[in-house]
Amino acid sequence: SQQGEEDPQALSIQEGENATMNCSYKTSINNLQWYRQNSGRGLVHLILIRSNEREKHSGRLRVTLDTSKKSSSLLITASRAADTASYFCATDGGASYGKLTFGQGTILTVHP
Amino acid sequence: NAGVMQNPRHLVRRRGQEARLRCSPMKGHSHVYWYRQLPEEGLKFMVYLQKENIIDESGMPKERFSAEFPKEGPSILRIQQVVRGDSAAYFCASSLLDRDTQYFGPGTRLTVL
Repeated sequence: SQQGEEDPQALSIQEGENATMNCSYKTSINNLQWYRQNSGRGLVHLILIRSNEREKHSGRLRVTLDTSKKSSSLLITASRAADTASYFCATDGGASYGKLTFGQGTILTVHP
Repeated sequence: NAGVMQNPRHLVRRRGQEARLRCSPMKGHSHVYWYRQLPEEGLKFMVYLQKENIIDESGMPKERFSAEFPKEGPSILRIQQVVRGDSAAYFCASSLLDRDTQYFGPGTRLTVL
């Protein structure tokens, strides 16, 4: 698998349900970032979690990081139709600067 | 505080023409990154620049592509003699510090006819 690979590729849920997306990576990292992209639009930054952090919250978002398993998860609670988008994780590969490697993304569809 | 600005938002070129994409980073940001996104794919790193310096261009094709970030003005990604395979969305991101949060612009969608 490539660096920053998301799972599942597509997720379809009903409004109000929780959505969990996973990301696996291969190399060491300084930090891992999650982004959202609405169809045909730019990327919106959601959360940055550093390698020495295990969990981070922002509103309805919760991100966990397990560096021993080289994996991260993004949980969106009480989902809304407006959460429909593609979600990407991005890692810096432990580089001395922030060159990011993105996965293919998870396409989340939230049905009203 | 305006975000990252990119223009044009859409650009149509015929094969063999030049494409010039502009990126103005967020105020105070001196780190600029360019990424390319092909249809149905994630973003791929192209080049990382700081003011007047190219730090890493390992993701940029050796021929026809160039980038700059002058002391004054926006960062420019230039594609000479475009081919159909250059059709993609090109995103610029900026950060305050390296290894920091990168904020993305809306992208330029290049279509080569």
